[in-house]
Amino acid sequence: AQSVTQLGSHVSVSEGALVLLRCNYSSSVPPYLFWYVQYPNQGLQLLLKYTSAATLVKGINGFEAEFKKSETSFHLTKPSAHMSDAAEYFCAVRFTGGFKTIFGAGTRLFVKA
Amino acid sequence: SQTIHQWPATLVQPVGSPLSLECTVEGTSNPNLYWYRQAAGRGLQLLFYSVGIGQISSEVPQNLSASRPQDRQFILSSKKLLLSDSGFYLCACLFSGTGRTGELFFGEGSRLTVL
Repeated sequence: AQSVTQLGSHVSVSEGALVLLRCNYSSSVPPYLFWYVQYPNQGLQLLLKYTSAATLVKGINGFEAEFKKSETSFHLTKPSAHMSDAAEYFCAVRFTGGFKTIFGAGTRLFVKA
Repeated sequence: SQTIHQWPATLVQPVGSPLSLECTVEGTSNPNLYWYRQAAGRGLQLLFYSVGIGQISSEVPQNLSASRPQDRQFILSSKKLLLSDSGFYLCACLFSGTGRTGELFFGEGSRLTVL
């Protein structure tokens, strides 16, 4: 079955440290991939998306993600965490041939001063 | 510009009461519309989606229903709420012309508490 998995429901980093949020998908055909961020009591906002162009995708707020077909992964990174990055992050996939977007369970990022 | 409005923002309802959450979209026509539910500590569960007026696809059998009476209006309803219906409901839109690579745009959400 087609699915998306985010490893780690909670990730804690120190301010200035590397942020790495993991996402793997299950599909025989590479899907379209998205990362969204959600701040408390708000809707989701797009960080970046992969649509079969460049495998390294740059997004807003200094985030980037790399699509690795061999690993069926689309991990999100940021070189240096900022306090304002504390939020919940969702990886999402849309499989080719459909209009449904499936979301992972989310990873809550904590940033320590 | 394209915007998504959801209301009410917050709702507290007793078990067994009806529900109506409304979502309207501005600045586009013929969008794909979606209802997601986010329960506490869980991800987003796709409930319904619609590719046009009167066209509703249900993803999860449950106590809820959806309707799309107008091109830019999407309504989530229930005749009798259950405790398990509590959650944060998000309306999302895939704007026309963006194709299958387009991202979803989300409303600000409606928080429902069933007591």
